[in-house]
Amino acid sequence: EVQLVESGGGLVQPGRSLRLSCAASGFSFDDYAMHWVRRAPGKGLEWVSGISWNSGYIMYASSVKGRFTISRDNAENSLYLEMNSLRAEDTALYYCARGRGYFDSFDSWGQGTLVTVSS
Amino acid sequence: EIVLTQSPGTLSLSPGESAALSCRASQSVRSNFLAWYQQKPGQAPRLLIYGASSRATGIPDRFSGSGSGTDFTLTISRLEPEDFAVYYCQQYGSSPFTFGPGTKVDIK
Repeated sequence: EVQLVESGGGLVQPGRSLRLSCAASGFSFDDYAMHWVRRAPGKGLEWVSGISWNSGYIMYASSVKGRFTISRDNAENSLYLEMNSLRAEDTALYYCARGRGYFDSFDSWGQGTLVTVSS
Repeated sequence: EIVLTQSPGTLSLSPGESAALSCRASQSVRSNFLAWYQQKPGQAPRLLIYGASSRATGIPDRFSGSGSGTDFTLTISRLEPEDFAVYYCQQYGSSPFTFGPGTKVDIK
């Protein structure tokens, strides 16, 4: 069974940093692209960042470019999101999601980890 | 960046009725790389349709997708109680990937 489990969320002050993790199991992690998607309170889904299977292709939404860094460790079956210079508008439930290829739909999702940016 | 617009914002229907949800793109979606997701409160999104018209694994055949270029439709025939949820379209043909704002299908 495919499982994606996010962790690392919490309450953080504006301007500080946080690192999210996503532990994958039940499939060959290094065969898939991976993505981070967020949902702010009362809002819709927003794609944040994606990374190809070998980390050769990485892209970011304009709202996080220069502040967030996506990475993966295929030996550890893990996906990461390093978030710096956090802002109130980054407050959201962050999901990791799997794509069969980089330009592909997201066929499995985790349950999300909540990030709250507030003083 | 491709902007997706979904309509209507809310659709109020009764079980057994059919629903047609629209998704329009600000420019043509490459290779019709358009997906539909369902999200219920407290749950992760679930992939329903990819490639504009292909059903994902395990999705009932009352869900169907159609369209090409800039205009796409998700049709739900014979609404079941578990179908009342928010539906998002997403284009994944060009980066940044983008989602529409969602259509809420609620019980009339």
